[in-house]
Amino acid sequence: EPEVTQTPSHQVTQMGQEVILRCVPISNHLYFYWYRQILGQKVEFLVSFYNNEISEKSEIFDDQFSVERPDGSNFTLKIRSTKLEDSAMYFCASRGEPGPYEQYFGPGTRLTVT
Amino acid sequence: GDSVTQMEGPVTLSEEAFLTINCTYTATGYPSLFWYVQYPGEGLQLLLKATKADDKGSNKGFEATYRKETTSFHLEKGSVQVSDSAVYFCALSVNTGNQFYFGTGTSLTVIP
Repeated sequence: EPEVTQTPSHQVTQMGQEVILRCVPISNHLYFYWYRQILGQKVEFLVSFYNNEISEKSEIFDDQFSVERPDGSNFTLKIRSTKLEDSAMYFCASRGEPGPYEQYFGPGTRLTVT
Repeated sequence: GDSVTQMEGPVTLSEEAFLTINCTYTATGYPSLFWYVQYPGEGLQLLLKATKADDKGSNKGFEATYRKETTSFHLEKGSVQVSDSAVYFCALSVNTGNQFYFGTGTSLTVIP
């Protein structure tokens, strides 16, 4: 069964450093998402991406964040200058159709900023 | 705004016990409702969904009914197994929107 994959599973970085989180969505999907979950809090939407551009983003997704689909398979989230409060689990998701259909999630990347 | 409030955990049950995890929602539009499950080391997997009022989603012995009058989508299972130990997330998506709104997740541990 096709699945969304994410690398790395755990990333430790120092405050102020840039990090890139990588995702490989399901191959025929067209809609891509990033979510995050700070420990003990809700899973929060960050951004959605379709047709090579951002279609929706939350207030969390400020200028420090960017997304890219550099080739036909990868979908990346970059945090330009990490802060302590960026420590969280980051989930990538994808889906094949618009509307209220299920999204398929990866296992997550745990980002720890020290 | 749109949001989901989910029962706090962790929940510990003995095998074959009855499970209820409460979920209520607030939505500006007409939402679809979902339960996702996350097993250790894995991603969020869709467990069940309901797209309109009074629909019942079911899968693997789990059930949830979309109750518009009480804005709820409580997850139930009549007899839990050790293999059901996981974190359960309630979520909604408004028809005209794209993003999902999640609850905080409820950790379930089933002991033999």
